[in-house]
Amino acid sequence: DAGVIQSPRHEVTEMGQEVTLRCKPISGHDYLFWYRQTMMRGLELLIYFNNNVPIDDSGMPEDRFSAKMPNASFSTLKIQPSEPRDSAVYFCASSHTGSGANVLTFGAGSRLTVL
Amino acid sequence: GDSVTQMEGPVTLSEEAFLTINCTYTATGYPSLFWYVQYPGEGLQLLLKATKADDKGSNKGFEATYRKETTSFHLEKGSVQVSDSAVYFCALINTGGFKTIFGAGTRLFVKA
Repeated sequence: DAGVIQSPRHEVTEMGQEVTLRCKPISGHDYLFWYRQTMMRGLELLIYFNNNVPIDDSGMPEDRFSAKMPNASFSTLKIQPSEPRDSAVYFCASSHTGSGANVLTFGAGSRLTVL
Repeated sequence: GDSVTQMEGPVTLSEEAFLTINCTYTATGYPSLFWYVQYPGEGLQLLLKATKADDKGSNKGFEATYRKETTSFHLEKGSVQVSDSAVYFCALINTGGFKTIFGAGTRLFVKA
């Protein structure tokens, strides 16, 4: 398996623009998580899905953020409109409950810079 | 709520030195405990885990023992290498839960 695939790896945009980050989880994994990493706040869980259904979005910072998982192999995290304080590395991770303790497999991340 | 506290970094060591990164946790149930490592420019990856008290997780020369009496899961390595330079995250998942709770991370620099 190629692992968790995220795109784009780097995104530079201007304030007010829409940003869409994409994630392909590992095939067969039933949980998908979106995290944000910044120097100030460390690693924050934004939202997670189970079998494509959003379970907990309490970490989503504002209504400007939305996430979807239309099928088991694809998820998006959208920010509209973007602001400079959204600059961060966004990670997607997936896991499989059948393996016992839920070990996360992370993607390489999408580094977002909002000017 | 559940939480993880780990020692602040950065930690700077010379090659072949002994490493300890302290981690303590607060949880109401019987969590599974993890150490993840993040190399520069990459996502986190699992280093080791322990699912019950007194279990020892080990991988790549790193070890950590699940100590319920002290609610700790300290990471150790007998002889670090330059290639071990990374950020190390202690984490837990509580019984029946699906959200991983991470510590703030500890950056390790190993000098040649």
